[in-house]
Amino acid sequence: DIQMTQSPSALSASIGDRVTITCRASQSINNYLNWYQQKPGEVPKLLIYAASSLQSGVPSRFSGSASGTDFTLTISSVLREDFATYYCQQGYRTPYTFGQGTKLDIK
Amino acid sequence: QVQLVESGGGLVKPGESLRLSCEASGFPFSDYYMSWVRQAPGKGLEWVSYISSRSSYTNYADSVKGRFTISRDNAKLYLHMNSLRAEDTAVYYCVRDTLLGEGWFDTWGQGTLVTVSS
Repeated sequence: DIQMTQSPSALSASIGDRVTITCRASQSINNYLNWYQQKPGEVPKLLIYAASSLQSGVPSRFSGSASGTDFTLTISSVLREDFATYYCQQGYRTPYTFGQGTKLDIK
Repeated sequence: QVQLVESGGGLVKPGESLRLSCEASGFPFSDYYMSWVRQAPGKGLEWVSYISSRSSYTNYADSVKGRFTISRDNAKLYLHMNSLRAEDTAVYYCVRDTLLGEGWFDTWGQGTLVTVSS
């Protein structure tokens, strides 16, 4: 199985900060890497697919990038509504696997 | 609008069975790959199973292989769960993949809670 390792597991930020979350795949996944946001009590929401494609309706302050087996989700300027848990997920090969999550909270 | 609505969750005892359903609307359901994803209380996300658009292909997480069966008809997705264990306790989400099964999930149902406890 492909292991997805996210870092950090938790992150504190102030409104307006630039935030970066990293996800590393245990093997090549050909950029089949997706990012989701989940707020408490809510359903996960797709933010980024195929490493860097912004899902329709998602604000442009969210972006994704890739370098080999390392992937990054960046929020250019954090808003209050962005405080949530973020998950990466590889869709390259089943079993599809998720990272353990990164909880972003207010500093 | 595109919508997925799950049903069938509940409280069952270890070893019992349950069938989850997911009713799709607002898109050509038969054309899309579909998956089930679960989330244990307070934990992260775990992919459970997928089925291709014409039911030609199915796949399962090792944790449920041999116990769970995914199926679909013209408008609904199902997850038949047998020999349930305490570790299967989770919210189960029905999720839409892409037309080509590219492995990203752009639409999620609200989830249905399955609790396995004696």
